[in-house]
Amino acid sequence: QSALTQPASMSGSPGQSITISCTGTSSDIGNFNFVSWYQHHPGKAPKLVIYDVSNRPSGISNRFSGSKSGNAASLTISGLQAEDEADYYCNSYTKSSTLGVFGGGTKLTVL
Amino acid sequence: QVQLVESGGGLVKPGGSLRLSCAASGFTFNDFYMSWIRQAPGKGLEWVSYISSSTNTIYYADSVEGRFTISRDNARNSVYLQMTSLRAEDTALYYCAARYNWHVVYWGHGTLVTVSS
Repeated sequence: QSALTQPASMSGSPGQSITISCTGTSSDIGNFNFVSWYQHHPGKAPKLVIYDVSNRPSGISNRFSGSKSGNAASLTISGLQAEDEADYYCNSYTKSSTLGVFGGGTKLTVL
Repeated sequence: QVQLVESGGGLVKPGGSLRLSCAASGFTFNDFYMSWIRQAPGKGLEWVSYISSSTNTIYYADSVEGRFTISRDNARNSVYLQMTSLRAEDTALYYCAARYNWHVVYWGHGTLVTVSS
């Protein structure tokens, strides 16, 4: 099962907005609304920031939002802060595997 | 306070075995499918396996099918991963994760497995 496609790295300045893309196929993102996003600071446990495309878990800042269009999903972080610097992974349900499929991850740098 | 604490990682020779354990607390263990997810050095996340709360649904990644066995003990709020016939490519940080529907709600900090001669 091929991983979902994410940009390897992105950067932004404090206060800016940034959008991380996650591209899949009609077997996963395109036909199912089960996309989730995880924030991972190295050495710490990953954290769920978006589930079911656009839902925020309790306690997650409203600066994080998710959306989907066609075979691609997006995570937008508005008002970038230094603590947002982390790796971000998308995940989706897929017809090809009952386990699901992750994206390759995006390293976000806050300049 | 939710906690998932993994243990059992270490250095093992190719062909060897290890048993990972994960102790859960702070949430209703039986409400969640429990999963193992790994991250090889410099790589992204990869699903390894998950098990339903009743243990009647179990899935494995193709890369570990037939070599790894997942199990859980609901009385002890614990999940396990028995790993056999280990290969160099199994070297990774293994995360215990509590899955609800198609997303992971809770994650552990991981336990490192290194397969090397």
